[in-house]
Amino acid sequence: DADVTQTPRNRITKTGKRIMLECSQTKGHDRMYWYRQDPGLGLRLIYYSFDVKDINKGEISDGYSVSRQAQAKFSLSLESAIPNQTALYFCATSEGTGWSDTQYFGPGTRLTVL
Amino acid sequence: SQQGEEDPQALSIQEGENATMNCSYKTSINNLQWYRQNSGRGLVHLILIRSNEREKHSGRLRVTLDTSKKSSSLLITASRAADTASYFCATDALRVTDKLIFGTGTRLQVFP
Repeated sequence: DADVTQTPRNRITKTGKRIMLECSQTKGHDRMYWYRQDPGLGLRLIYYSFDVKDINKGEISDGYSVSRQAQAKFSLSLESAIPNQTALYFCATSEGTGWSDTQYFGPGTRLTVL
Repeated sequence: SQQGEEDPQALSIQEGENATMNCSYKTSINNLQWYRQNSGRGLVHLILIRSNEREKHSGRLRVTLDTSKKSSSLLITASRAADTASYFCATDALRVTDKLIFGTGTRLQVFP
């Protein structure tokens, strides 16, 4: 079984709808991250969490919110989806306390906002 | 703007040939990592090189780091069709905002 799972894998929605993307991990890592990937732009950090009581904004957090329900679960919400949020979204985890630690990525969620 | 810029953006080679990808970055770093992404999949960590290291090997991978030029290269020797993927560098920058900064990636196509 995969260590980092994301649901759904694909989602098509309409402008203005609320969307939740879910991430679960069995690696026992405290740190979790949400990224989006757009063609030609690499990965950009949306939010990250160092433990269940800690939530931090990344470089592109506007229009997004997160919830860390447990050590193993980290959800990303789009309160009112817009077309330019169409992207590939990745959840990741890491074990240690620094940004140099290996990050383990989920398979991604392809989101299309019409 | 992105910290890491990979070069070339795309590379096509035959099986058995070597593939070299380069990454340039802007600010001083603690470490640099390379990740691979198969089409539409999550990224997979390949190798980490620390700022005080100049070269590192892992199987068919060889990574170099030149901190004076703020650049790194990833060499894949004796490439295989299964190496077809996008490759990203990621930097952990000194005294910069908290994050791992990914480059824009090199798309490698290895033909059988």
